[in-house]
Amino acid sequence: QKEVEQNSGPLSVPEGAIASLNCTYSDRGSQSFFWYRQYSGKSPELIMSIYSNGDKEDGRFTAQLNKASQYVSLLIRDSQPSDSATYLCAVNGGGDYKLSFGAGTTVTVRA
Amino acid sequence: EAQVTQNPRYLITVTGKKLTVTCSQNMNHEYMSWYRQDPGLGLRQIYYSMNVEVTDKGDVPEGYKVSRKEKRNFPLILESPSPNQTSLYFCASSLSGVWGDSNQPQHFGDGTRLSIL
Repeated sequence: QKEVEQNSGPLSVPEGAIASLNCTYSDRGSQSFFWYRQYSGKSPELIMSIYSNGDKEDGRFTAQLNKASQYVSLLIRDSQPSDSATYLCAVNGGGDYKLSFGAGTTVTVRA
Repeated sequence: EAQVTQNPRYLITVTGKKLTVTCSQNMNHEYMSWYRQDPGLGLRQIYYSMNVEVTDKGDVPEGYKVSRKEKRNFPLILESPSPNQTSLYFCASSLSGVWGDSNQPQHFGDGTRLSIL
C-alpha cells in the first residue's frame, strides 16, 4: 500500500480562485509534512512545512494538518498562472530519516 | 552560490555497463539523499546519508549503491544497470535530517535523466 496518496488531478482552476490539494498518509507516527512545487522540467522546491495540527499560512498558501485523520492539505488562494505546476506532498515517518512523497497533483491555473 | 550539482544531466547507456552519477553540494550539509522520479509514482527515495560514512536505504534501494566518503559528495552507483532503472534522478541535501526541528528545506539538484537500453 502506498504510504502517501494525493488527488491524481489534474486540477484546473480559474485565475483568482482557490486551489485545494489533498494528501493522506498511512504512518500514524509521521511527524513532519511538506509541500513541494515542481515546475515542468525542473527540480522540486519546498513551499510549505507543517508539524502540528491546525493551519499554517504563508502568503497565499495555507497548509492544514489533521493527524487524527492522517490528512494534510494545501490551499492556494488567489491562484495565478505562475502557480501552474505539480505539487508534491512529502511525509517523514519520525522514526527514521526517510522522506516519502506522493505522486503529485498537477494544477493548471487558466487565465 | 549555494547549490547541488549533479553530473551528468543526461545519459544513455546499455544494460550491464556500470555507471556513476555524481552529486556535490557546497553548503556543508550533513544530510544527502537520492531520489528517482517516474510518471505516476512521484519521487521515491533510493538512499540517504546522515553524515560521512553513514548511509541507509530508502524505499527503493535495489540495484543501487552509494558512498559518502566526504561530506560534500554523494555518488550514486549502478553496478549493472537494467532498463527498469531508466528514470529521472534527483540528488538533494539539507542541513540535517532532523525534520521536526525547523523549516529544513531540501535543496535539489537539476536532475539526471538516465536511459538504459
